[in-house]
Amino acid sequence: AQTVTQSQPEMSVQEAETVTLSCTYDTSESDYYLFWYKQPPSRQMILVIRQEAYKQQNATENRFSVNFQKAAKSFSLKISDSQLGDAAMYFCAFLFSGNTPLVFGKGTRLSVIA
Amino acid sequence: EAGVVQSPRYKIIEKKQPVAFWCNPISGHNTLYWYRQNLGQGPELLIRYENEEAVDDSQLPKDRFSAERLKGVDSTLKIQPAELGDSAVYLCASSLDLTVTQYFGPGTRLTVL
Repeated sequence: AQTVTQSQPEMSVQEAETVTLSCTYDTSESDYYLFWYKQPPSRQMILVIRQEAYKQQNATENRFSVNFQKAAKSFSLKISDSQLGDAAMYFCAFLFSGNTPLVFGKGTRLSVIA
Repeated sequence: EAGVVQSPRYKIIEKKQPVAFWCNPISGHNTLYWYRQNLGQGPELLIRYENEEAVDDSQLPKDRFSAERLKGVDSTLKIQPAELGDSAVYLCASSLDLTVTQYFGPGTRLTVL
């Protein structure tokens, strides 16, 4: 079974600075997808970024980028130029390319300090 | 494009009462998911639909939970009777197929007293 581990329950960053959130996962599969979702207090899970395991290039979306290390089974999220609106819970999630659901980590609560 | 719609946003009930949640997925999305998110945890799948067929309900407590997806569009998740441990956020998500991104609704926060 696949597992996702987020070892940082809470993180904080100064506004305009850069922060990296960690995620590791365990799987025996070679083809899968990885996601970072943001969940603000409104509870809506918002997709931040997605990475296909077969792609060597790290995904980027504006201020958000990932460091995908397939051999190490690591998938960290880097947020550059942090903004107050980035404050939220961030969940790392794994999807195997088959009839399985998203598997989420326990989340990291990010605070942004003005 | 409208996102996933859920109602109600909040529900407070006493234990042993029934409760139902409604979800309208993104238009054209054939796959629909119900997740439960306990406090301080990530969401966990309850049931997945492909069109109107429930294809993965192994985590659904079938003694008290039921779900349906009429005509492969809207879905309803029901709990009867509710227990204190059912207090959680119930999230609905949809996708075009299994291997692309799942889009989530705003969730329903259920409190069982």
